[in-house]
Amino acid sequence: GQNIDQPTEMTATEGAIVQINCTYQTSGFNGLFWYQQHAGEAPTFLSYNVLDGLEEKGRFSSFLSRSKGYSYLLLKELQMKDSASYLCAVKNSNYQLIWGAGTKLIIKP
Amino acid sequence: GAVVSQHPSRVICKSGTSVKIECRSLDFQATTMFWYRQFPKQSLMLMATSNEGSKATYEQGVEKDKFLINHASLTLSTLTVTSAHPEDSSFYICSARESGREGQPQHFGDGTRLSIL
Repeated sequence: GQNIDQPTEMTATEGAIVQINCTYQTSGFNGLFWYQQHAGEAPTFLSYNVLDGLEEKGRFSSFLSRSKGYSYLLLKELQMKDSASYLCAVKNSNYQLIWGAGTKLIIKP
Repeated sequence: GAVVSQHPSRVICKSGTSVKIECRSLDFQATTMFWYRQFPKQSLMLMATSNEGSKATYEQGVEKDKFLINHASLTLSTLTVTSAHPEDSSFYICSARESGREGQPQHFGDGTRLSIL
């Protein structure tokens, strides 16, 4: 089967750095996406990785290793507004998007 | 950037009512749109893939006669929850992918919170 694994919940302190990991097993690979979802709202797109390596976008970076089936989302200089769920999703060989259950990130002052 | 408009944002209605939700891509054409359902504190669950000009593809366990999908144009897909019951209460979210850009991210609407009394 296909599955995406990510931690259920993480806690971090305002101003710090946090890394959210995602491992995947899918039938083929056509890219990995990270989305942010605040409670009661729809997901918003954060990042996209299709090649190995690090993609940096402001305070957020995303890393991919296709050989390991592994990605992480790195959030720097955490702000209270970063409290949200972070969803990892992989596009398989049929271009279907397989979703992880999401990681709820709690930021404490 | 690509914008997806979803309407209405919230619906409260009586059991037995049918509810239609619209999903529009405002500045791009979307051959494919996706309908998701999300229960509180759970992840997104793909219900169906909506294809312009053809029948929708439903995920296992989703009743196609219960959740009617119409994708009549390249910018509009509708989901109708027929004879809704309290167990259909959920957050329904649509997303769209720009035509010819299968590798690109999906763009989400703001979601519709459906409450059946």
